Amino acid sequence: AQSVSQHNHHVILSEAASLELGCNYSYGGTVNLFWYVQYPGQHLQLLLKYFSGDPLVKGIKGFEAEFIKSKFSFNLRKPSVQWSDTAEYFCALKRNAGNMLTFGGGTRLMVKP
Amino acid sequence: DGGITQSPKYLFRKEGQNVTLSCEQNLNHDAMYWYRQDPGQGLRLIYYSQIVNDFQKGDIAEGYSVSREKKESFPLTVTSAQKNPTAFYLCASTLDRAPANYGYTFGSGTRLTVV
Repeated sequence: AQSVSQHNHHVILSEAASLELGCNYSYGGTVNLFWYVQYPGQHLQLLLKYFSGDPLVKGIKGFEAEFIKSKFSFNLRKPSVQWSDTAEYFCALKRNAGNMLTFGGGTRLMVKP
Repeated sequence: DGGITQSPKYLFRKEGQNVTLSCEQNLNHDAMYWYRQDPGQGLRLIYYSQIVNDFQKGDIAEGYSVSREKKESFPLTVTSAQKNPTAFYLCASTLDRAPANYGYTFGSGTRLTVV
């Protein structure tokens, strides 16, 4: 069975700091990878997704993620965070064969103004 | 505006009672899903349905039941057999049976508290 690990449960940063949230997965086959964000009181929204091709994926709001197959990782990055990035971030995996998304435990990011 | 509507937003249940959470979508999506969100555990799949009148158990289906009589509706019943029902419940849908190309659309959730 596949699984997704997000090792940082809580991250606190000051505005303008750089962000990197870790995501590692376990599955030996082809995967599709996603990052979702949940702002306080709002729906889960898709930030970005990787299916194939360029392993560096750019998403909304200046976020990007890099798929490193050899490390089974899909870390989320942003060069300079803003207070409005305060949210919970979820990494998710879908096997190439199959329909279900498997989510990581989430990382709560707080950005101090 | 198309989307997913979950109701109610907050729900209180007495121990031993069954309760049904509503999920309605007007996106004409084929597949619908129910997830449970607990702090530090992410989202765990309860049930999913790819077509009308068909549904499958997810990873934590015990103590829950669903129906899919209409394409736009996928209600979740939390039964008295669910040992720890207090949680945040999220409904999601996708256009195609394989959500790869679109990602999920999520509802705003229902927070269930057992009192």
